[in-house]
Amino acid sequence: GAVVSQHPSWVICKSGTSVKIECRSLDFQATTMFWYRQFPKQSLMLMATSNEGSKATYEQGVEKDKFLINHASLTLSTLTVTSAHPEDSSFYICSARAGGGGAYEQYFGPGTRLTVT
Amino acid sequence: GNSVTQMEGPVTLSEEAFLTINCTYTATGYPSLFWYVQYPGEGLQLLLKATKADDKGSNKGFEATYRKETTSFHLEKGSVQVSDSAVYFCALRGSASGTSYGKLTFGQGTILTVHP
Repeated sequence: GAVVSQHPSWVICKSGTSVKIECRSLDFQATTMFWYRQFPKQSLMLMATSNEGSKATYEQGVEKDKFLINHASLTLSTLTVTSAHPEDSSFYICSARAGGGGAYEQYFGPGTRLTVT
Repeated sequence: GNSVTQMEGPVTLSEEAFLTINCTYTATGYPSLFWYVQYPGEGLQLLLKATKADDKGSNKGFEATYRKETTSFHLEKGSVQVSDSAVYFCALRGSASGTSYGKLTFGQGTILTVHP
């Protein structure tokens, strides 16, 4: 199947700093990318959906100014956690899809563990 | 809105035991249903899917049948192996137009551990 990578796999940062997480589709062009957040022993929560070249669409309750998403190319999307605080510590997972609508399969990255101290 | 409820884990089994992980859903319209598996240190992988009522998805010995009357999509395997140890997620993809269309909604995940 198609491969999606994330970098870094884990990061520790100090409160008040910003952290950028990259998501890449390695062997296909991703017109749509998704960013999820996963708390321990809980489900994946969709944060936002981004289409290449467009602004991301955020889910209700997700702060746009805190979680900046950029999908500048068909193989790269980035999530920047701005002015991070300990409550932002979580496991962030990206997913990529080759086409629009529901006909295309989503492929998932391995996730990034963020710890804010 | 759409929701998925999975059997709580963790589930611990001996090798060659029978596995069932229950999954029920709430959704409008006719969603597609999925089981994803996440092995340690890896991303979620699609295990199997079903796109309409009474469809049976199967892969690697795992099966699940889309039951619209009971809004369920239970995962089963007749004889588990140590290598099946992983986290299993049930999910649905909304079919109705509007905000849910094309988006995956996940259950909370079930940790499966298989002992030799």
